[in-house]
Amino acid sequence: DGGITQSPKYLFRKEGQNVTLSCEQNLNHDAMYWYRQDPGQGLRLIYYSQIVNDFQKGDIAEGYSVSREKKESFPLTVTSAQKNPTAFYLCASRDSGYGYTFGSGTRLTVV
Amino acid sequence: KQEVTQIPAALSVPEGENLVLNCSFTDSAIYNLQWFRQDPGKGLTSLLLIQSSQREQTSGRLNASLDKSSGRSTLYIAASQPGDSATYLCAVREYGQNFVFGPGTRLSVLP
Repeated sequence: DGGITQSPKYLFRKEGQNVTLSCEQNLNHDAMYWYRQDPGQGLRLIYYSQIVNDFQKGDIAEGYSVSREKKESFPLTVTSAQKNPTAFYLCASRDSGYGYTFGSGTRLTVV
Repeated sequence: KQEVTQIPAALSVPEGENLVLNCSFTDSAIYNLQWFRQDPGKGLTSLLLIQSSQREQTSGRLNASLDKSSGRSTLYIAASQPGDSATYLCAVREYGQNFVFGPGTRLSVLP
């Protein structure tokens, strides 16, 4: 079955630590996206990539970094510069019909 | 800048009722619109994708309509069930742009 796999499901970060969230898709989609979701707020775009080896900042890119070395993979690193990283992170990809498919999310908590 | 609103923010109905969720967007020059459902702590599940040339899409008990000229879409759920309880989000995409998400409608279907 094709889909998007996000791991881990839960992640705990200590102050000053960088952590990386994994996103893998086997849908052969070119475009991939990272969103952040906070309670009571809508989805906010962090980074997106339209093609391998290229990515663009979204609305809230500060404190985050990404890479796109393979079509299937779009990992997100939450750096120590992100002062309020506790949130639910969602990865998505876009198909040729231009609809989104989402992963199941990673909940990041600062401890 | 495209803005998406959803009314109501929350809705509670008894099982078996037919219901309508509303989505409004400010710029009518959209490429497509997608409806999602999100269960607590989970990712988004795609329900229906409507292209700009289409007026409606149907899947089972769900029917989504699109009126670009008025900047509105509605999601109709027939014969609601407790399993339909979730948050429903709509997202619109303009040509060459990324999806913009609404804040969602939280639906509770009471047995």
